[in-house]
Parts: sequence; structure tokens; C-alpha cells
Amino acid sequence: AQSVTQPDIHITVSEGASLELRCNYSYGATPYLFWYVQSPGQGLQLLLKYFSGDTLVQGIKGFEAEFKRSQSSFNLRKPSVHWSDAAEYFCARIDSGYSTLTFGKGTMLLVSP
Amino acid sequence: DVKVTQSSRYLVKRTGEKVFLECVQDMDHENMFWYRQDPGLGLRLIYFSYDVKMKEKGDIPEGYSVSREKKERFSLILESASTNQTSMYLCASSGGQAYSNQPQHFGDGTRLSIL
Repeated sequence: AQSVTQPDIHITVSEGASLELRCNYSYGATPYLFWYVQSPGQGLQLLLKYFSGDTLVQGIKGFEAEFKRSQSSFNLRKPSVHWSDAAEYFCARIDSGYSTLTFGKGTMLLVSP
Repeated sequence: DVKVTQSSRYLVKRTGEKVFLECVQDMDHENMFWYRQDPGLGLRLIYFSYDVKMKEKGDIPEGYSVSREKKERFSLILESASTNQTSMYLCASSGGQAYSNQPQHFGDGTRLSIL
């Protein structure tokens, strides 16, 4: 079965510092990749998606992600973190021919003053 | 913007009760999904539907059923609630045909406690 791995369960970043959240996917033809964010007590909000083309994709809230086929990675980045970015972040994939998302276990981002 | 509305944010029920969780989307999406979310286990797919009256089992369908009588509404049913079904339940919808790659849009979730 195809999988998504988020190696970091928790990450703490100082406000104003840069952020990179890691996501690795198991090999599969043409994965479609997504990042979602979940604030406490809320549902998931789509940050960005990658289908094909330019490997650097821009999302909402100043986030971006880079698709690297050679490393099977789709890491999420933000140049300067704000306290309101504290949340749980999920990487997910859909494989061609399937309609269901496979999620990683999530990374909880804590932002320190 | 896509709006996915779950009827309750918090729900408390008793063991053995039949429980209904309702979800409505306003974007005429073909596909709808039910997940449960538990600490350390992430999101797990219970059931999904790609058309009215159609349903497919996800990864953990045991103890659950679903109903989709209208395109905009997808109900999750706990036939006889048990304490191990205490969880956060998330509904989602997406457009396009079955097996499309369109992103899913989520509701705010229902936190269900079974006593």
C-alpha cells in the first residue's frame, strides 16, 4: 500500500524563524500531493497541492512546498513563522486511479515567543 | 468557498445507542467521505461515497454504516455505539468523477463521546 511518512511528531520553532516540515511518500506512479493544516478543535484546511508541472508550489498563508521526485519528498516551508501558525500539519497523497487520500500521522508545530 | 457542515460539534451518547452523524456540503460535489481521527493514529477512512446511494468501505468500516439519499448529504451511523468509538469524526467532500484527484474539503468535525 502507498504510504506517507512525516518523520517529526512535534517541532518547536521560534516566532519569526523559518520552518520546514518534512514529508516522504512511498514510490507510486504520479502521486498527487497535498498539505493540510488543522487548528485545535477544527477541521482540516487545504494549504496547497501538487499535481504536476512546476515543482515549487505556493499555497495560502505564505506557505510553499517543493516536490522532489529523486528524494520522494514534498516538504512544506515558510520563511517566517507567526504564532498563529501553531497547529497540526498533515501531508497526504492521492494515487492515480484511486479517490481516497492517504494521510501521514501529522506534525504538531509549536511556536515559541 | 466550499462549505462542509457537520450537524454537531460535540455529542455525548450512551453505549448501545444508535447514533447518527450528519454532514452537508453546498458545492454539488460527487464524492463524500467520513474519517475518524485519534491521537497517534492520524486520520482513518471509514466510508466514502462517489454518488447518491453508492458507498464504499474504507479502512475501518466495522461498527459503522452510511447513508447517502441526496447528493449533498452523507450520514454516518453507529449501529450500536461502543466506548471504543469515542473519537473525532471528520466529514469531507470533493468534486470530479470517482477516482479523481481533486482535493478534499473538510468540515469542522464532531467530537463524539460514548459513555
